[in-house]
Amino acid sequence: AAGVIQSPRHLIKEKRETATLKCYPIPRHDTVYWYQQGPGQDPQFLISFYEKMQSDKGSIPDRFSAQQFSDYHSELNMSSLELGDSALYFCASSSQISSYEQYFGPGTRLTVT
Amino acid sequence: AQSVSQHNHHVILSEAASLELGCNYSYGGTVNLFWYVQYPGQHLQLLLKYFSGDPLVKGIKGFEAEFIKSKFSFNLRKPSVQWSDTAEYFCAVNAFGNEKLTFGTGTRLTIIP
Repeated sequence: AAGVIQSPRHLIKEKRETATLKCYPIPRHDTVYWYQQGPGQDPQFLISFYEKMQSDKGSIPDRFSAQQFSDYHSELNMSSLELGDSALYFCASSSQISSYEQYFGPGTRLTVT
Repeated sequence: AQSVSQHNHHVILSEAASLELGCNYSYGGTVNLFWYVQYPGQHLQLLLKYFSGDPLVKGIKGFEAEFIKSKFSFNLRKPSVQWSDTAEYFCAVNAFGNEKLTFGTGTRLTIIP
């Protein structure tokens, strides 16, 4: 079965640079969630989208923005990167029918140097 | 806002031992409960979930969990662990009508052959 796809899988950036992470949900899933998992920490919810509209917002810094496109893929844009942004960024998707079950992608490991 | 507590940070067991990982949540309303597993270097995978009905739920790989509403608990159990169960286990909750997941801090499980 198709899973959530994230790209790139690994990304190395320098401080103050920008990064764009992409997420392709499972086909026919209309909701996308972004989570950040720091080293040795639990995943923290950042933001979610339903039908291309932001549906909820968590602890996402103002330097970050995200959107969901007409094909339901989502992009997380991160600017003025800081060392503390180094983390694993997970995307998850769900469908409205089973909206409480989220399927996670493999994550993008961002390293800021 | 909901919160999740996992009191066991690191559990070490021998193969064939029985497992119980504690999870307590804090929220005044109706919740959905989940256990996710994260194998080293991999993404989060859903082990099992509770939405309603029978409080004893069975998941993949022989895992089960019991929802005890009066104790706000959702402990994970497995009667006989295997070396391949070595992983990080996260309990998570979302509120009815709000899909974002709140995770516990995770329990690292190490199985000794």
